[in-house]
Amino acid sequence: NAGVTQTPKFRILKIGQSMTLQCTQDMNHNYMYWYRQDPGMGLKLIYYSVGAGITDKGEVPNGYNVSRSTTEDFPLRLELAAPSQTSVYFCASSQRAGTGETQYFGPGTRLLVL
Amino acid sequence: AQKITQTQPGMFVQEKEAVTLDCTYDTSDQSYGLFWYKQPSSGEMIFLIYQGSYDEQNATEGRYSLNFQKARKSANLVISASQLGDSAMYFCAMRVYSGNTGKLIFGQGTTLQVKP
Repeated sequence: NAGVTQTPKFRILKIGQSMTLQCTQDMNHNYMYWYRQDPGMGLKLIYYSVGAGITDKGEVPNGYNVSRSTTEDFPLRLELAAPSQTSVYFCASSQRAGTGETQYFGPGTRLLVL
Repeated sequence: AQKITQTQPGMFVQEKEAVTLDCTYDTSDQSYGLFWYKQPSSGEMIFLIYQGSYDEQNATEGRYSLNFQKARKSANLVISASQLGDSAMYFCAMRVYSGNTGKLIFGQGTTLQVKP
């Protein structure tokens, strides 16, 4: 069972470039999330989705876009990369939004913007 | 405001000893969940243990237990019989139901080093 998979594992971008971080889950979960983790810090929510076709902003959405055309996939798009977007990006999923629902995380994508 | 505070940036523990990692939380919601995740140097986030706000007993999972003190708004993680493989960063996180996002709010983490 693959769980949550993310690609690429590592990427270097130049300032102003764009890229898409891929996230796929095979657990048929409704809820999916994108977090970023800055060095020495906890995770902060960028965007989330409650189901195919439905997305909404989290705490730090500026500079990012998402789409959810299928239950399985939740790509994160970076437009005009900036050094402040250097971070580790985690995708996560859960079946429901209940307080006791465990979120399952992907392995992360390390992004460096130079 | 909903917030998680972990006041210990780094901790050391001798192998086979127990260690407590502190976590305090702030929320006005009555229904919430508290989680601990482990992040080893490889970077992945590993779920360890969960405590619901209405759970009367402290959660336990193997060598992990959660010392839940609701009145003090604390949810400390206790690791018994530490092993070298426990060296990692540990995050406390909270989930509230309001807004139906299901998002997790994370603390800044505590780095634990287990000495042989």
